[in-house]
Amino acid sequence: GAVVSQHPSRVICKSGTSVKIECRSLDFQATTMFWYRQFPKKSLMLMATSNEGSKATYEQGVEKDKFLINHASLTLSTLTVTSAHPEDSSFYICSAQILYGLAKNIQYFGAGTRLSVL
Amino acid sequence: GQQLNQSPQSMFIQEGEDVSMNCTSSSIFNTWLWYKQEPGEGPVLLIALYKAGELTSNGRLTAQFGITRKDSFLNISASIPSDVGIYFCAGQYNFNKFYFGSGTKLNVKP
Repeated sequence: GAVVSQHPSRVICKSGTSVKIECRSLDFQATTMFWYRQFPKKSLMLMATSNEGSKATYEQGVEKDKFLINHASLTLSTLTVTSAHPEDSSFYICSAQILYGLAKNIQYFGAGTRLSVL
Repeated sequence: GQQLNQSPQSMFIQEGEDVSMNCTSSSIFNTWLWYKQEPGEGPVLLIALYKAGELTSNGRLTAQFGITRKDSFLNISASIPSDVGIYFCAGQYNFNKFYFGSGTKLNVKP
């Protein structure tokens, strides 16, 4: 399957600092990428849909000024957690969507980023 | 809003046994995807389904897209210890966002 690279895999930061997470599609172009947050023993919670060249669409309850998303190219989307606080500590996962023809669509995931805010 | 129920929540089985899990939706989908996630990793795609009634296999895994387009199941035959993980279903309608099930945690005793 297609490869999605997410970096860093783990980050520890001080409260009040900002953290940037990168998501790259390595062998394909992705017009749409998704950002998820996952709490321990829970399912994936969609935070936002990122479309190349346009503003991200955020899910209800997700602060767009807190979680800045930039999708500057067809292979790169970034999530910046601004002024991070301990409650932002979580596992963040990105995914990239591939369209095969008119009716087939697959979503491939990155390996995730474990964010710990002290 | 969209409801996607996945069951069972967890399973404890003996190596060699077959496993079955399923997802049901409150409305129709035209894409069902099944993923496996291991601790500290992102989900890995197992099987993709696009047509009602479609039955697709990937090794010991078999998944089906329900006729009503509101459900899907995943079967694992002859389970082995490396099948341990959390299995998620995901459904999508018309290239909108995916909805995820709550996951089925599989434990396999050697």
